[in-house]
Order: sequence, then structure tokens, then C-alpha cells
Amino acid sequence: EAEVAQSPRYKITEKSQAVAFWCDPISGHATLYWYRQILGQGPELLVQFQDESVVDDSQLPKDRFSAERLKGVDSTLKIQPAELGDSAMYLCASSEEGKSNTEAFFGQGTRLTVV
Amino acid sequence: RKEVEQDPGPFNVPEGATVAFNCTYSNSASQSFFWYRQDCRKEPKLLMSVYSSGNEDGRFTAQLNRASQYISLLIRDSKLSDSATYLCVDPPQGGKLIFGQGTELSVKP
Repeated sequence: EAEVAQSPRYKITEKSQAVAFWCDPISGHATLYWYRQILGQGPELLVQFQDESVVDDSQLPKDRFSAERLKGVDSTLKIQPAELGDSAMYLCASSEEGKSNTEAFFGQGTRLTVV
Repeated sequence: RKEVEQDPGPFNVPEGATVAFNCTYSNSASQSFFWYRQDCRKEPKLLMSVYSSGNEDGRFTAQLNRASQYISLLIRDSKLSDSATYLCVDPPQGGKLIFGQGTELSVKP
């Protein structure tokens, strides 16, 4: 069964350091999402790509976060500098197309701890 | 007001019990929703879709009340394996998923 791949699974970093996460969506999925989930809360969208274009990054803290999907396939999310409040699970998801009622498939996530 | 609101629980129920979760939403134009299930420290996975006609899958029944803007999930004959967090999701136009904060369910022997 096709899966969304994410790496690393776990990351511990010191505050003010840079950190990067990688996501490889299910083959053929044009839409890719990055979500952040703080413990005890639901996932919150950071950025949505349609192929290589950003569709929605309104909730991305652009002073420290950046995301790219250069060839419209895999994607990287970067944080620089990391802050203590960035500790969370970062989830990547993909779907066939960015329309309502389309199921999104999630990767296992990257659990970030900033110390 | 949050776009999607859920009672965070936790709901602690014995095996075999029937339990129901509600979710309210603010976007009156939304016509369908999802329920996702998330096990502890795992990724969310789709449980079922919800339309105005409702949806039933085995022990799980989901209903949408557009007039009152709420969605419900009913689980009958609860199993230990049903223990998880259940996320109510609004998929508006554009494809992004708007999640509630999740309702935690714990089924006890």
C-alpha cells in the first residue's frame, strides 16, 4: 500500500538552531500539505501545495518557517531559528487533488523537540 | 469562534457501551465532513465521510445536521481497540482540511 514518507521520525534540536523535515507524498498526488499538531490539539495547516505552487500559506510563520516543493513531488519544511514553542508533531499529507471531499493520507510525522 | 469545535473529553466508557461525539462547525456552506481517527502518537487516518444523508459503517454511524451545524459520530458496542482520538474535519473548497481539537475516547474492560 502506498504511503506518505517522512523523515526524520524524531528530531531534538536546540533553540536558535535550524531544522529541516522531508516529505515524499504518495506517487501521483498533486496536493501536499504540512500540518503542525501540538499535543492535545488537532492538526493545523501550515502550508498547502498544488504541484509546485503554494496554494495556502496564510498560517505559516514566514519569519522563521519556509517550505518548498521544487519539482512538485517531495517537499521540505524548514525552521530557522527554532524556538521552544515549535515543539510539536509535524505531519505531511497528500491527496490526489485539492478539492473538497478528497481524502488526505498522512505520513507518520516528525516529532520535534526544541530544548 | 473556532471553525470546528469538539468536546475534548476524555470519554471513558466500558466495553460494549454506546458512545456519541458531537462536533460543531461555523462554515454554513460546508456540505460534507470527515471523521478521522488518531491513535496515540500516530498519524490521523480517515474513519468515514459524512454527508447530509448520513453514513453508517458497521458499528459506526455519522450524521450531519446542517440546520444546527453539527456533526455526530455514534459508536455502538465499543471495543478496546476503539480507544483513540476522533477528529472532526471540515474539508471546504480548496482541499485543505480544517480539524477540530479531537475527542479522546478510552474504552475500558
